[in-house]
Amino acid sequence: DAGVIQSPRHEVTEMGQEVTLRCKPISGHNSLFWYRQTMMRGLELLIYFNNNVPIDDSGMPEDRFSAKMPNASFSTLKIQPSEPRDSAVYFCASSQGTEDTQYFGPGTRLTVL
Amino acid sequence: SQQGEEDPQALSIQEGENATMNCSYKTSINNLQWYRQNSGRGLVHLILIRSNEREKHSGRLRVTLDTSKKSSSLLITASRAADTASYFCATDGSNYKLTFGKGTLLTVNP
Repeated sequence: DAGVIQSPRHEVTEMGQEVTLRCKPISGHNSLFWYRQTMMRGLELLIYFNNNVPIDDSGMPEDRFSAKMPNASFSTLKIQPSEPRDSAVYFCASSQGTEDTQYFGPGTRLTVL
Repeated sequence: SQQGEEDPQALSIQEGENATMNCSYKTSINNLQWYRQNSGRGLVHLILIRSNEREKHSGRLRVTLDTSKKSSSLLITASRAADTASYFCATDGSNYKLTFGKGTLLTVNP
């Protein structure tokens, strides 16, 4: 089992650029979660999907952030335009159901200069 | 806002000793989970304890839950250098969203 796959693993970009982070959940899992981790704020839930439908996006910091899940095996988190304060590690996690154990991907380390 | 808060923030012990980390939370929960994160890696699920359970074991891990005090503890027995990592508790409320604490950094010295 490949586990949750995220790409890219590292992204360095300049302020104002669009950034797209990708996630492939574990096959058969119905729930997908996007988290952001920083030293200051710890691990924060940004948005989660159940059966490809966004259930709660209250953690999305602002309109510059958007997430999609066009099918059960793929999700994207987009930041447009990016800002230096968006620098963080972004994790994707999936679970069989919303209340089941979440399995995390390796994360994408984003640096916005 | 943080739901779970781990204590201590950092813990340094010798190999073979036991390590105890605590987690406190504020609102009622369905379950509480503990995760481990090695430096530069994603989180790995360790154990889940439901609100109607008081204690759970998994290998060298022992988790307790006291819902009256809104607290949990994670005990790692006979620690190894490979246990060096950050440990997080995560709670979920009525909406099943997990809220993580800021973690305890455990260092096990050989």
